[in-house]
Amino acid sequence: QKEVEQDPGPLSVPEGAIVSLNCTYSNSAFQYFMWYRQYSRKGPELLMYTYSSGNKEDGRFTAQVDKSSKYISLFIRDSQPSDSATYLCAMSGGSNYQLIWGAGTKLIIKP
Amino acid sequence: DAGVIQSPRHEVTEMGQEVTLRCKPISGHNSLFWYRQTMMRGLELLIYFNNNVPIDDSGMPEDRFSAKMPNASFSTLKIQPSEPRDSAVYFCASSLLRTENEQFFGPGTRLTVL
Repeated sequence: QKEVEQDPGPLSVPEGAIVSLNCTYSNSAFQYFMWYRQYSRKGPELLMYTYSSGNKEDGRFTAQVDKSSKYISLFIRDSQPSDSATYLCAMSGGSNYQLIWGAGTKLIIKP
Repeated sequence: DAGVIQSPRHEVTEMGQEVTLRCKPISGHNSLFWYRQTMMRGLELLIYFNNNVPIDDSGMPEDRFSAKMPNASFSTLKIQPSEPRDSAVYFCASSLLRTENEQFFGPGTRLTVL
């Protein structure tokens, strides 16, 4: 079993919909949770960063961490075609440089 | 702000040839990472440098791979000899030491070994 599980998709939704992307993990030592966005033929870019449990909001994006269930989510409100990309979750414990990556979910927003 | 710079962007070579990938991290960043991304295995950390010193090279697949960081503004990843299974996108990323979860990635080098 992988340490981090993420459905690769693709997930296709109409423009304006609310998108929910998720990862589950097995290592209870993880404390830092990140979402990176990767456009086609580009490098990943950090989108959201959360420490421990709780919610964090940034514009149309909300990151949610539930450590009791070992489950993290990224919500995108009012989705736009420009949100079409692959979304990778990543997490780490004490050794911050060692990120454990999900496989990435390919998201397609249809105009 | 130039971001992380990688060269070349694309490389096509034949099996057995030497390949050198180059990276210029963001100025002021003192942590540097080399990753490999494939469809099958996703993103894999190959090596991590801290203040130009290799700290963790446990992800380097085999002795054919080597990496150097001679100064704070330049790093190389070398594959010698290259094999078809090395075909992948190679990313360089950098970060500040105190915020290593926040990694800034370059555009990547797409390597094809025939």
